[in-house]
Formats: sequence, structure tokens, C-alpha cells
Amino acid sequence: DSGVTQTPKHLITATGQRVTLRCSPRSGDLSVYWYQQSLDQGLQFLIQYYNGEERAKGNILERFSAQQFPDLHSELNLSSLELGDSALYFCASSVFPNEQFFGPGTRLTVL
Amino acid sequence: DQQVKQNSPSLSVQEGRISILNCDYTNSMFDYFLWYKKYPAEGPTFLISISSIKDKNEDGRFTVFLNKSAKHLSLHIVPSQPGDSAVYFCAASVTTDSWGKFQFGAGTQVVVTP
Repeated sequence: DSGVTQTPKHLITATGQRVTLRCSPRSGDLSVYWYQQSLDQGLQFLIQYYNGEERAKGNILERFSAQQFPDLHSELNLSSLELGDSALYFCASSVFPNEQFFGPGTRLTVL
Repeated sequence: DQQVKQNSPSLSVQEGRISILNCDYTNSMFDYFLWYKKYPAEGPTFLISISSIKDKNEDGRFTVFLNKSAKHLSLHIVPSQPGDSAVYFCAASVTTDSWGKFQFGAGTQVVVTP
């Protein structure tokens, strides 16, 4: 158990819909990272937050947005969903960037 | 643009033997490299890392080698154990730019057989 929690574990929705994925980091970790893992692909870095502020951005689609709240939990919002957005979404947290602790992931299926 | 590549999607090795996992990268600015291990239905867990100022880092049964001129790193597991059966991802980062923004490879599935 990494100490990072993600909810929900599974999410099934339809194209065009909007969903919110939630991440609670390990106690004391100020940084939160979001990754997307599509079928047979590696983890694609989406975005990083540090203590409530956006720190780094990857190839995150404009339909996707994230935020980190004062209690340090983070949410990833995915809107206008497409079939290709079906993937595993991981959240990670860290004190130091070189060792990120990953949550178990949220599996999103868009039908 | 895949900057970190793991060209072997799978590897089968006998228990007790050495597992060698390979990873190639294209961005010469990468200066920090990591290996993560992932079991089914779990998130990746950190295994070992290496900075570009080193060419080798060892932690128990796990050793990572870095060849900067070839833009290649490898992970050696000796001896391999059944519990090592997992997917292994290599990752790279430019520490002077967006430190923590890792580029991951597609992963190598390792199966350790008795």
C-alpha cells in the first residue's frame, strides 16, 4: 500500500460525458502527479501540482483539467469524453520528485 | 514522440537466473533515470534510480547500468525470483526542467518460471 488513494476504482461512462477522478496523496506529500496509461502503452505524464499550484504540464488535452485543493487532494476532470480516453489513470504523490508513490489507478471505460 | 523505448514487451526467465531488461532513450538532456515495477491491479512502485553522473547503481538483487553515449540503460535482476514477475517500466527526466515530469517506456512484462 503506497498510501495514495484513488477513487473510484472503475468508471464506465458514455461518449460526450464528463467525469471527475479523485486522488488523496500520502500524508505530508505536497506534489501530486497525474498519468494516463492507454492499452499497451507506457504512462503518459499529464500534469503536476505542488501545494495547490500547477508545476508542470505534459501532453494534457484541453478537455482535461486538474486542480489541487488546500487539503492537498487533487481532482482530474475529463470532459467531452471520447472512446480514446478509455485508459488507466494514475495519480502519484511525492515529497521529492525523484521518488513518486503511485495510487492503484482508476480504470475509465468510455462506451 | 516516444523518447523512452522498451523494445522488448516481454521476457521469460528461469528462477535463479539473471533477468536483463533494456531501455533506450533519444533525449540527450535526460539526466535522471528510474525503474518502476508494477503488479496487476496495483500502481507502479519505485525500484531503483540512477543519475547521469553515475554509470552503475546497485540495490540488493537489482543493478541499473547507464551508458550515456549509447543512450541506453539496463536493469539486471540477480537472481530472479517468482515474485519478480511483473511489468517493469523505465522512466527518464530532465532535472533542470520540470523536475518530476517523467517520460515512461511502454514496459516489459517479466515472467519468472520455476
